[in-house]
Formats: sequence, structure tokens, C-alpha cells
Amino acid sequence: QQQVKQSPQSLIVQKGGISIINCAYENTAFDYFPWYQQFPGKGPALLIAIRPDVSEKKEGRFTISFNKSAKQFSLHIMDSQPGDSATYFCAARPNFGNEKLTFGTGTRLTIIP
Amino acid sequence: EPEVTQTPSHQVTQMGQEVILRCVPISNHLYFYWYRQILGQKVEFLVSFYNNEISEKSEIFDDQFSVERPDGSNFTLKIRSTKLEDSAMYFCASTLGRANYGYTFGSGTRLTVV
Repeated sequence: QQQVKQSPQSLIVQKGGISIINCAYENTAFDYFPWYQQFPGKGPALLIAIRPDVSEKKEGRFTISFNKSAKQFSLHIMDSQPGDSATYFCAARPNFGNEKLTFGTGTRLTIIP
Repeated sequence: EPEVTQTPSHQVTQMGQEVILRCVPISNHLYFYWYRQILGQKVEFLVSFYNNEISEKSEIFDDQFSVERPDGSNFTLKIRSTKLEDSAMYFCASTLGRANYGYTFGSGTRLTVV
């Protein structure tokens, strides 16, 4: 019940296209859903996050869509650029305890010219 | 922008040896964490630390692991007797607390056990 399932495992998108990564969870106690971007040899960096009281959050080219009833959330990267090529992790955190993050399995995104 | 600093960036050690991974969290943060990422896999929670004590640990964090905050700035992870399967990237993270959801991760220490 603590798992966060992420798909796809890898994704290739043309420059200028839309990249979509999906995540699903089971634990209804999760109340904070961040996305992290990780470049090789670096730590995860917070990209954007959402709480379940809203269905969508947009920051620049990055949008999170959240479906509370389906327990799913997704990251959309509009106008994808080669610099977006990285591994993306969704994560979730419960509304109690010590704020431990549970990560998805990651999506390796490659933007091709 | 404040950073979480980890040293060393890469450590190679022989199986059975003790290693200490060091982290300097962001100075006003109150919650500290260690996560592990085996090559090509997801980031896994190891332990959280608050108010000078462990608040939660995963099943990975067995008796060979320990954490310490020896002074006001450093946060260390000790692996007492390393095994080959401990080879991974180890990330330190910190956050201000419940009212501030943002975690900041360090760049990690790549531990290679030979």
C-alpha cells in the first residue's frame, strides 16, 4: 500500500512535443505529491508539487494533473526541450509522521531533435 | 540558494570495512533524511532524524547502519561492516518541517564496495 507505481520506464519525445509521465498510488493517507528531476550524478531536484485539494497545477512548461478518485497523477512537459532529458521521479508523502517520501520507479526521458 | 552538501562524492571501500558518509544539511532545517539509490533503480528511504533521534527507519536500515548529528551542522551515516549490496548512491536530504513541504537533496555519495 506504500508503493507508488510509475510509467513508462522510458520515454522518447521529439523536441517541441508533450512528455507525459503517469503515477498511481494506493495509500489514501498520501497528501503531497512532488515530482523530482534527476540528472546523471546529481541528487533529485524538486520540479513541481501538488496537494490533493486541487486537480491541476502549472508552473511554466510543467503541469501536474491530479485525479483523487482514481488515485492517479501525471506530469506533463509542454514544448519539451533537449535540456529536459533526465530521469523523472514521482513521489508521495503521507499527512502524518515524519514526512518520509515514497518514490516511484522513475522515467528516463529523452528529448530528440 | 541554500544547498545540502555531501562528502565524499565517491568512496570505494573493501567489503567488511566501516564507512562514514557525511552531510551538511541546510542550516535552519529541522528534519534530516538518508535515502539510497541502487544504480538504475528508484530512490529508497533509509532513515529520518528529528530532534536528535531517529523518527523512522526502513527495513533496509538494519543494525549495521547508524546515524548521528555530532554537532550543529553535520549529519552522518555510518555503515559498520559494508557488504557488496551496499554499493549505491546515498543521498542526504533535509526539510524545514511540516509547514514547508520542500525537500532539498544533496548531490549524493557514490559508495562502491569491492
